[in-house]
Amino acid sequence: QVQLQESGPGLVKPSETLSLTCTVSGYSISSDYFWGWIRQPPGKGLEWIGSIYRSSGSTYYNPSLKSRVTISVDTSKNQFSLRLNSVTAADTAVYYCTSIPSDALDVWGQGTLVTVSS
Amino acid sequence: DVVMTQSPLSLPVTLGQPASISCRSSQSLAYSDGNTYLNWFQQRPGQSPRRLIYKVSNRDSGVPDRFSGSGSGTDFTLKISRVEAEDVGVYYCMQGTHWPPITFGQGTRLEIK
Repeated sequence: QVQLQESGPGLVKPSETLSLTCTVSGYSISSDYFWGWIRQPPGKGLEWIGSIYRSSGSTYYNPSLKSRVTISVDTSKNQFSLRLNSVTAADTAVYYCTSIPSDALDVWGQGTLVTVSS
Repeated sequence: DVVMTQSPLSLPVTLGQPASISCRSSQSLAYSDGNTYLNWFQQRPGQSPRRLIYKVSNRDSGVPDRFSGSGSGTDFTLKISRVEAEDVGVYYCMQGTHWPPITFGQGTRLEIK
């Protein structure tokens, strides 16, 4: 079955760039579906960051984060990535990679906690 | 942005009893293709979210049939016919009709009385 696994630093300094990678197994991400990122601050709800549709390469971002976010795909490694610039403490959260908003597939990574602190 | 409002935010339920969660959207979620992109997610303690229901009433594979979704327009409901211990967690509705951005409700915490 399709599985997702996030990787990246668990600690990022304020004003620096948060970079996470999601490795997909069990499916070729170049084939179909959306691939995206959701975050969840400690003790709070879910916030959609953005998604990319592989077949078209189109990216969709949350307007609240759009100026700081880039989502990209590396089909040779079957991975997709998140970059979030100029982070602050408000960006501290568990970050999930997921197939949202694909109708035909719902899969999530285990999540990775990223803390923004000096 | 479409605002999703859930109620109640906390839901204590006795084992074996039914439970119901309401989700209201700030505008109709009916899309021009005839679909309504309203999903429900469950997040058990310490786990990643998982989708239970997509497009209002379609259960995902492996989801027990005690879970059902209904509604239209701006009013939607997730029902659990008989709550079991494994149903403890937080439930979120999500709209994917008017995006970006995709938006979620605040979450409803279900606990056992």
